[in-house]
Amino acid sequence: DTGVSQDPRHKITKRGQNVTFRCDPISEHNRLYWYRQTLGQGPEFLTYFQNEAQLEKSRLLSDRFSAERPKGSFSTLEIQRTEQGDSAMYLCASSHFRGAGTDTQYFGPGTRLTVL
Amino acid sequence: KQEVTQIPAALSVPEGENLVLNCSFTDSAIYNLQWFRQDPGKGLTSLLLIQSSQREQTSGRLNASLDKSSGRSTLYIAASQPGDSATYLCAVETGANNLFFGTGTRLTVIP
Repeated sequence: DTGVSQDPRHKITKRGQNVTFRCDPISEHNRLYWYRQTLGQGPEFLTYFQNEAQLEKSRLLSDRFSAERPKGSFSTLEIQRTEQGDSAMYLCASSHFRGAGTDTQYFGPGTRLTVL
Repeated sequence: KQEVTQIPAALSVPEGENLVLNCSFTDSAIYNLQWFRQDPGKGLTSLLLIQSSQREQTSGRLNASLDKSSGRSTLYIAASQPGDSATYLCAVETGANNLFFGTGTRLTVIP
């Protein structure tokens, strides 16, 4: 299967700990997106990369959050000093951007984070 | 700020019925509108993408329409099946290059 993969699928951590998630996009997709989804809500945009450049960050992405895509392939999302409010599903998506409005985003299965 | 609303929040129908899901958005300056399906605890699967210049898209039993000027889209599902049970999300892509999602419609198709 050459879809978007995310690791781990589930993470339980204690408040104050740091966590890191990984996303492997579809090969040759130049764009990679991170979203957060809480129960009963639609996903909310966090940030996106075009190749290795982080082009936009939502105001939801506090200074405890950092994302990287060092070689323009996989990406990591790190949350420092986790809080209970960080509990959510973290979704990654990738696309082959050819022009505004034309690319379909393909989503991974998500990483469910629970902060105790 | 773009806001996306989906009505109804939940819908139960008997197998075989045709149904319509509604999506509305506040800012008509969009590049496209997409419909996704999400199964419980899973990621999203793209169903249809309608570019802002298009009026509708069809895929199998699914038909999505877009009226950009009025800020509305509908997803029509024909001859519903139990396997269609899922949450359906609509999302609009804006000039900010990201998707604004609605809260979804949870569909249950009863055998």
